[in-house]
Amino acid sequence: GENVEQHPSTLSVQEGDSAVIKCTYSDSASNYFPWYKQELGKRPQLIIDIRSNVGEKKDQRIAVTLNKTAKHFSLHITETQPEDSAVYFCAATPGFQKLVFGTGTRLLVSP
Amino acid sequence: GAGVSQSPSNKVTEKGKDVELRCDPISGHTALYWYRQRLGQGLEFLIYFQGNSAPDKSGLPSDRFSAERTGESVSTLTIQRTQQEDSAVYLCASSLGGGRTEAFFGQGTRLTVV
Repeated sequence: GENVEQHPSTLSVQEGDSAVIKCTYSDSASNYFPWYKQELGKRPQLIIDIRSNVGEKKDQRIAVTLNKTAKHFSLHITETQPEDSAVYFCAATPGFQKLVFGTGTRLLVSP
Repeated sequence: GAGVSQSPSNKVTEKGKDVELRCDPISGHTALYWYRQRLGQGLEFLIYFQGNSAPDKSGLPSDRFSAERTGESVSTLTIQRTQQEDSAVYLCASSLGGGRTEAFFGQGTRLTVV
């Protein structure tokens, strides 16, 4: 089955810096890659997603890149703000079926 | 309703008792997922329902866990003979088109086994 690895597990940056979170997946049939943000005590919410026919997608300060050959995808957050502090999860969906999540990255943005 | 609804929000049960958790997905969403999240940990896949297809039960940790879904509506997750390691937040999510569209999560049920 699909296995998604995520790094780093924790990431501390200063406000205004960029943050990068990386994920790798194992199943070449995976073709949809969402990223979720979970604030403390709250439910996960989608922040951006990318499909396998696209290499990069941007939405204001966040962007996601996908390398299908290498089976890895990354989340990039620029000009980080304290409200970006949260746990971020990547996910992959083999054959457009179940969502398999990575282990999460705890991002701390210090003012 | 406007979003995914789970009940109860919190459940405290004694070790060995059975519990039933409920999930009301967004109307029209054919896909429904259950995940377990232990304190400070990630989202552990339990089970996936897609329309009338056979559910993907590959994530259920033991035969004490089972889930049902009636058509494309309510789902229940049942844990029999609960153990302390079952303590976690159980999250339900639904999506319009399976693993190709945004999954919306419920607020979760916090289960504590004492």
